[in-house]
Amino acid sequence: QSVLTQPPSMSAAPGQKVTISCSGSFSNIGNNYVSWYVLVPGTAPKLLIYENNERPSGIPDRFSGSKSGTSATLDITGLQTGDEADYYCATWDTSLRGGVFGGGTKLTVL
Amino acid sequence: EGQLVESGGDLVKPGGSLRLSCAASGFTFTSFPMNWVRQAPGKGLEWVSSIGTGISGYKYYADSVRGRFTISRDNAQSSHYLHMDSLTAEDTALYYCAAGDFLLSNSLDFWGRGTLVTVSS
Repeated sequence: QSVLTQPPSMSAAPGQKVTISCSGSFSNIGNNYVSWYVLVPGTAPKLLIYENNERPSGIPDRFSGSKSGTSATLDITGLQTGDEADYYCATWDTSLRGGVFGGGTKLTVL
Repeated sequence: EGQLVESGGDLVKPGGSLRLSCAASGFTFTSFPMNWVRQAPGKGLEWVSSIGTGISGYKYYADSVRGRFTISRDNAQSSHYLHMDSLTAEDTALYYCAAGDFLLSNSLDFWGRGTLVTVSS
């Protein structure tokens, strides 16, 4: 059971928008920055969003993040088949004194 | 662009020990906290440990590994390590090293491709 809760799977058609949610608590999302990562099997995980809504260089603006209270979301617009992957949210948990990840969301682009 | 290469993964018996290494290049290693994250077969990502910069940098561990795993870094070699003792089947996973400040800005900027640890008799 992950500390952060994500939907296990989501699907959408090419060109559409998907919103992946990440729910936590006061000690983690409520008090710390959130980041998002994409994981394609066989490749290194990649940072998509940090500090809730900042994109590293090279990440297209189709990817955006936000945070409100103890929840965060990752929006992906203009879906492409190449976006099919597992997406994870993450943050620091002040009470646990450690990092925490969501359980991951498998995105299928139909 | 930063690059990280893990090594040291192996098949080890329960109760055994292993040391993972992570070699860094392409970025200023001394400026980055370093981290280990693992993924068990069929499971999601799990944070394992983080170490800060500098000689007295912080060290944090997940409850599941505290007391058994030790994180360290060698700035002169641009490398960091994870020494693992008392391994159990639950430690079987692909272990990734990642560079970035997970504690403050919550960004793991660079990742390696992982090294596989299998604990089995």
